[in-house]
Amino acid sequence: EVQVVESGGGLVQPGRSLRLSCATSGFVFDDYALHWVRQVPGKGLEWVSSISWNSGSIGYGDSVKGRFSISRDNAKRSVYLQMNSLRIEDTAIYYCARDRAGWPRGIQHWGQGTLVIVSS
Amino acid sequence: IQMTQSPSTLSASVGDRVTITCRASQSVNDWLAWYQQKPGKAPRLLIYRTSGLERGVPSRFSGSGSGTEFTLTIGSLQPDDFATYYCQQFDSYPWTFGQGTKVEIK
Repeated sequence: EVQVVESGGGLVQPGRSLRLSCATSGFVFDDYALHWVRQVPGKGLEWVSSISWNSGSIGYGDSVKGRFSISRDNAKRSVYLQMNSLRIEDTAIYYCARDRAGWPRGIQHWGQGTLVIVSS
Repeated sequence: IQMTQSPSTLSASVGDRVTITCRASQSVNDWLAWYQQKPGKAPRLLIYRTSGLERGVPSRFSGSGSGTEFTLTIGSLQPDDFATYYCQQFDSYPWTFGQGTKVEIK
């Protein structure tokens, strides 16, 4: 069974940094692209970042570009989201998710999300 | 690429045929996915690459389109289908979502 479990969320002050982690199991980790997607409760989905199977293709949403950084550790079967210069508008549930392929083509398996609150 | 869904809200009855439209501000070829999300839950992939039915998704769900206009059709709406639906393009970064379409009980 594919499992995707986020951690690292919490309350952080504006301008500070936070690192989200995502641990996975149940599939050949090296073969798949991975994503971070966020959602303000009650609002729509916003794609944050993706990393392809070999880290050869990485992308970011316009609202986080230059502040967030995605990485993966195939040995640890984990993906990370380093979030710097956090803003109040970054407050959301952050989902880690696995694609259905090595290159982003459809987000197939989602975690339950970790809540990030940016507030003073 | 901007993705615009219509309608934003749809009221329908069990058994109705339902169509949701997703329009892209430029061509996304056929790199379009559809998701279903219920309150308090993570999204669920329904359709990939415009018309590919994800494993385990009922056959009443279908997708079509190309270029800039796409549709998700629910052939006969079931009680479990009342949810919010999102499209997402994978043609070029950033992989943008539509704003969502909420399917409500009429």
